[in-house]
Amino acid sequence: DQQVKQNSPSLSVQEGRISILNCDYTNSMFDYFLWYKKYPAEGPTFLISISSIKDKNEDGRFTVFLNKSAKHLSLHIVPSQPGDSAVYFCAASAMTGKLIFGQGTTLQVKP
Amino acid sequence: DAEITQSPRHKITETGRQVTLACHQTWNHNNMFWYRQDLGHGLRLIHYSYGVQDTNKGEVSDGYSVSRSNTEDLPLTLESAASSQTSVYFCASSRGQGGTDTQYFGPGTRLTVL
Repeated sequence: DQQVKQNSPSLSVQEGRISILNCDYTNSMFDYFLWYKKYPAEGPTFLISISSIKDKNEDGRFTVFLNKSAKHLSLHIVPSQPGDSAVYFCAASAMTGKLIFGQGTTLQVKP
Repeated sequence: DAEITQSPRHKITETGRQVTLACHQTWNHNNMFWYRQDLGHGLRLIHYSYGVQDTNKGEVSDGYSVSRSNTEDLPLTLESAASSQTSVYFCASSRGQGGTDTQYFGPGTRLTVL
């Protein structure tokens, strides 16, 4: 029973274009959502988050959109850079401090 | 600078052996977590602790145990290693119990059970 799903295992985009990573969730009790980025042989690092009271949060080139009615969130990276190539994990929390992670999407940004 | 470290970084062991993975953080965080990462499953929570002497089971706790005797350390023990426990293990910590508190991850331990 996967409560947080990232249905695209991989995504390839050209440098300078937009990368859109998607995430779906099933538990309506989730009220905080996060994106983590992971490079090979390293631990995940926090990238950006959004509370359920908002529908958009922006931080530089990274924007997260939340559609509560569809139980869907997305991460937009504009413009994409080769250094953005990594695995991106979506995660959700229901005020317990415990995170439920998606399966991850591997992003490759081609020069 | 504060950090979270894991040791060893790589471990090969045999089925049936007891294995302990170390996690040490200098953030002075109350909360600590252990996850395993497997292809197709993302990161799954094994055990977590909200403070000294507190431990709780996560989503995939069978075959694992933890103990919290101080703030800095949360060792993960595999009582009798199984091939299904071959995985990459990540430790994390966070300051508070709220869902908005950022979790900081260690570099991971790659465990192979033969």
